[in-house]
Amino acid sequence: SQKIEQNSEALNIQEGKTATLTCNYTNYSPAYLQWYRQDPGRGPVFLLLIRENEKEKRKERLKVTFDTTLKQSLFHITASQPADSATYLCARAAGGGNKLTFGTGTQLKVEL
Amino acid sequence: EAQVTQNPRYLITVTGKKLTVTCSQNMNHEYMSWYRQDPGLGLRQIYYSMNVEVTDKGDVPEGYKVSRKEKRNFPLILESPSPNQTSLYFCASSLLGVSNQPQHFGDGTRLSIL
Repeated sequence: SQKIEQNSEALNIQEGKTATLTCNYTNYSPAYLQWYRQDPGRGPVFLLLIRENEKEKRKERLKVTFDTTLKQSLFHITASQPADSATYLCARAAGGGNKLTFGTGTQLKVEL
Repeated sequence: EAQVTQNPRYLITVTGKKLTVTCSQNMNHEYMSWYRQDPGLGLRQIYYSMNVEVTDKGDVPEGYKVSRKEKRNFPLILESPSPNQTSLYFCASSLLGVSNQPQHFGDGTRLSIL
């Protein structure tokens, strides 16, 4: 079955640096990948969506890339701030587009 | 304000005592779904609904029931809860499906089954 894998180890970076998070998937390439942010005790919040025919998508300090050859999506936060500290989840649709499968998320901590 | 509302936010109960977690959205979304989130396992989909009276199983439906009698409401029912259903539950909705649709999540319901 299709799996989504994210680095389970927390990522600690210094304020102002670029954070890069990885999402890998197995088997077939999803038509879309979504990225969410989750803060402790809160529901995930949608950030960005990228289609398989898009190599890159940007929104303010966020950038998502999609490499169907590597079966990988990278999520970048430039000029990171302590307020960016959260868990970031990637997700893809399967089953004819009716079911959403999430990765386990990567915790990002931005330090002063 | 556009939102997905879940109730209760916290519940401690005992094995076998039927419970219902309510979910309501005010965005006129057709698609609604339930997830559970467990450490190390991430978010896993329990059930989803494409529209009123249309529901289908997600990846972990055992021990759960849902209904979709109205567009705005999608309750999750645990008819005979067991300790392995202790988890953090999220309801989500979107305009149409999941492929290219952002999901709007509620703030979660933390269930403890003793």
